[in-house]
Amino acid sequence: AQTVTQSQPEMSVQEAETVTLSCTYDTSESDYYLFWYKQPPSRQMILVIRQEAYKQQNATENRFSVNFQKAAKSFSLKISDSQLGDAAMYFCAYRSADSGGSNYKLTFGKGTLLTVNP
Amino acid sequence: DGGITQSPKYLFRKEGQNVTLSCEQNLNHDAMYWYRQDPGQGLRLIYYSQIVNDFQKGDIAEGYSVSREKKESFPLTVTSAQKNPTAFYLCASSYSIGPANYGYTFGSGTRLTVV
Repeated sequence: AQTVTQSQPEMSVQEAETVTLSCTYDTSESDYYLFWYKQPPSRQMILVIRQEAYKQQNATENRFSVNFQKAAKSFSLKISDSQLGDAAMYFCAYRSADSGGSNYKLTFGKGTLLTVNP
Repeated sequence: DGGITQSPKYLFRKEGQNVTLSCEQNLNHDAMYWYRQDPGQGLRLIYYSQIVNDFQKGDIAEGYSVSREKKESFPLTVTSAQKNPTAFYLCASSYSIGPANYGYTFGSGTRLTVV
């Protein structure tokens, strides 16, 4: 079974600075997808960014980028020019690319609570 | 606009009662999921369904039941057998065939409290 580990329960950053959230995962599969979700105080889950394991290029969405290290099974999220609205719980998630059986389940880490200080 | 609707937003249950949480989607997604969220625990999968009239247990299915009579609907019943039901419950949906890189679409959640 796949597992996802977020080793930082809480992080803080000053407004306009950069912060990196860590995520590692364990899998025996070679093809899969990784996601970062954001959960603000409203508790609505919002997809931030996704990465296909077969792509070597790191995904980028505006101020959000990932550092995907497949051999190390690491998938960190970098937030540049942090804004007050970035304050939220961030979850890393894994999904198999195999379309059979139960492989469409998302496995989540326990989350990192990000505080943005003005 | 397409999306997932969970109701109610807040729900209070007396001990020994069954309660049902509603989840409806109009995204034409095949698969639907129920997650439970507790502080420090992340999201844990309760049940999921990939097609109508079929569903599978997730990691913490004890004390819960579901049905999938329509593609759009996936209600979750929290039974009296669930010893610690106070939590935040999230419903999600996705495609079950084709590319898996779309991730999930989530509802806005139901906060269940036992009184």
